[in-house]
Amino acid sequence: ETGVTQTPRHLVMGMTNKKSLKCEQHLGHNAMYWYKQSAKKPLELMFVYNFKEQTENNSVPSRFSPECPNSSHLFLHLHTLQPEDSALYLCASSYRSGGGTSGRTDTQYFGPGTRLTVL
Amino acid sequence: AQSVTQPDIHITVSEGASLELRCNYSYGATPYLFWYVQSPGQGLQLLLKYFSGDTLVQGIKGFEAEFKRSQSSFNLRKPSVHWSDAAEYVCAVGNNTDKLIFGTGTRLQVFP
Repeated sequence: ETGVTQTPRHLVMGMTNKKSLKCEQHLGHNAMYWYKQSAKKPLELMFVYNFKEQTENNSVPSRFSPECPNSSHLFLHLHTLQPEDSALYLCASSYRSGGGTSGRTDTQYFGPGTRLTVL
Repeated sequence: AQSVTQPDIHITVSEGASLELRCNYSYGATPYLFWYVQSPGQGLQLLLKYFSGDTLVQGIKGFEAEFKRSQSSFNLRKPSVHWSDAAEYVCAVGNNTDKLIFGTGTRLQVFP
């Protein structure tokens, strides 16, 4: 596999279910991102991980729980979601040089997304 | 406030015709600019990017874009559109940090 992969590609879940989305990047990057794409709205950044550490949580509800065990893998754990959480969830990765606020981030590369439907 | 505007929600062109998709931005710092293309049910594929230097940048699939600082624009162009170019085109602006600001996208439809 090359690039950024995401599984599953489609997911239907009830509001009481618990599920997880998986993202894997094969680009040697060290920063990973979760985005939400709803119809007619711009991409919304949810979480950012740099060097496996979470550096951004864009006021995301706690029913979304990210996990980054290493620089190549990123998960999004879902529980007690609402129908308005139905959307395309995109993962991205990039190379970041340096840490902290002085670091520089190169181009973000995206996976194909997981289409989530919450019933 | 920082923002990206893509004024055209939907554009229809005939195959072989020229194309220009508009992108305007409001950004406080020197911008890094990106165009991505998104096919139905797919993620975003990078078409081209501008960081610095020559303001006319070439991308994949025959696309190019021109950065005009005075107009705060980064319009995407292609001289002759192919049916396979039908997709959603998304403009984004950022700097060398993690936070990109995306436009709402322009859906391109191509008629034979």
